[in-house]
Amino acid sequence: QKEVEQNSGPLSVPEGAIASLNCTYSDRGSQSFFWYRQYSGKSPELIMSIYSNGDKEDGRFTAQLNKASQYVSLLIRDSQPSDSATYLCAVNREGGKLIFGQGTELSVKP
Amino acid sequence: GAVVSQHPSRVICKSGTSVKIECRSLDFQATTMFWYRQFPKQSLMLMATSNEGSKATYEQGVEKDKFLINHASLTLSTLTVTSAHPEDSSFYICSASIRYGYTFGSGTRLTVV
Repeated sequence: QKEVEQNSGPLSVPEGAIASLNCTYSDRGSQSFFWYRQYSGKSPELIMSIYSNGDKEDGRFTAQLNKASQYVSLLIRDSQPSDSATYLCAVNREGGKLIFGQGTELSVKP
Repeated sequence: GAVVSQHPSRVICKSGTSVKIECRSLDFQATTMFWYRQFPKQSLMLMATSNEGSKATYEQGVEKDKFLINHASLTLSTLTVTSAHPEDSSFYICSASIRYGYTFGSGTRLTVV
């Protein structure tokens, strides 16, 4: 079992729709969770971090964390073509290591 | 703030030669630096963790004699790919832990011909 799992996609949504990205993790001791966006050939850029169960909202983005079920999700409201990228879920492991899922490719169609 | 400068951004080298990649923390002290490798259409795979003034810790399956990591100061960590081969062609990214998360270098695209 991979430490962090995501559906690789591609996930295609029309412009203006809600994009829903999901991630599960295996280490129950994980405390910190991150969503990154990565454009082709570029390094990841942080979208959201979440540490407590529940929802965290930042603009069009909402991260949801359920530690009991070991999943993290990211909702993108009013999706724009510029949101088209690969979204990486990352989980903090002991020693401060950040472990990434395989990423979900999102395509927002105009 | 919390910027990591990574150089070079792109490098092409001949098979059998060595390549050094540098990551510098510009406005903070990076006690720990993480090195990742990313193959096309795949995620970032953690290669090793470097701590200033001590030996790096390598993830399982990563050859420590091939990927030499040096973290001699609080602002500089280097990764040297020794005796590079075409299968080492990849995107290498460094990352430093900061107070509220992590900051990443801009990445180095290595092509071995």
